[in-house]
Amino acid sequence: NAGVTQTPKFRVLKTGQSMTLLCAQDMNHEYMYWYRQDPGMGLRLIHYSVGEGTTAKGEVPDGYNVSRLKKQNFLLGLESAAPSQTSVYFCASSRQQVQPQHFGDGTRLSIL
Amino acid sequence: GESVGLHLPTLSVQEGDNSIINCAYSNSASDYFIWYKQESGKGPQFIIDIRSNMDKRQGQRVTVLLNKTVKHLSLQIAATQPGDSAVYFCAENIPGAGNMLTFGGGTRLMVKP
Repeated sequence: NAGVTQTPKFRVLKTGQSMTLLCAQDMNHEYMYWYRQDPGMGLRLIHYSVGEGTTAKGEVPDGYNVSRLKKQNFLLGLESAAPSQTSVYFCASSRQQVQPQHFGDGTRLSIL
Repeated sequence: GESVGLHLPTLSVQEGDNSIINCAYSNSASDYFIWYKQESGKGPQFIIDIRSNMDKRQGQRVTVLLNKTVKHLSLQIAATQPGDSAVYFCAENIPGAGNMLTFGGGTRLMVKP
């Protein structure tokens, strides 16, 4: 019973490099989310999706892009990584609005 | 802007005692609240939720209390165990914001044996 799976778990990038973080959920949830978590701060929403083929901006969307081509997958892209994007990234999903979000175990990303 | 916050960044309790973790929210329109537990190196784990039409909800060893008059949320853990040691987050849902939860900064619970 996998739930929400994030890959990779760890990654180190150089400034200016690009990469894609992968999120997959096997619960047939409509909603998916990408958050970042920084020391001393709560989770902040980057982008979210209310269904296959849809995406929307969250609180801190700059420097990131997302895609939801399949219902079970939500991809987060960094086109040109910056040190300020060093963080732990969490993906989550929920069945509907106003229901608990289920989280993956995170991707720890360091940008040098 | 309005946000969810926590009174105590660290709470230390003796094993077997009850724990109370507090959270203040400032958006009176919030209609749904969630408590999450996060262990080191793991993602947030759902504990319990409550809707704004309720003032109390109980789970296994946990109780959430909602006081809308003073915009206060609390999580009570009965008979705290070492496995309860973690960071606890509260989050609120603001209607019309696409189920965008707003999270507090977290409280670390440390259970002493």
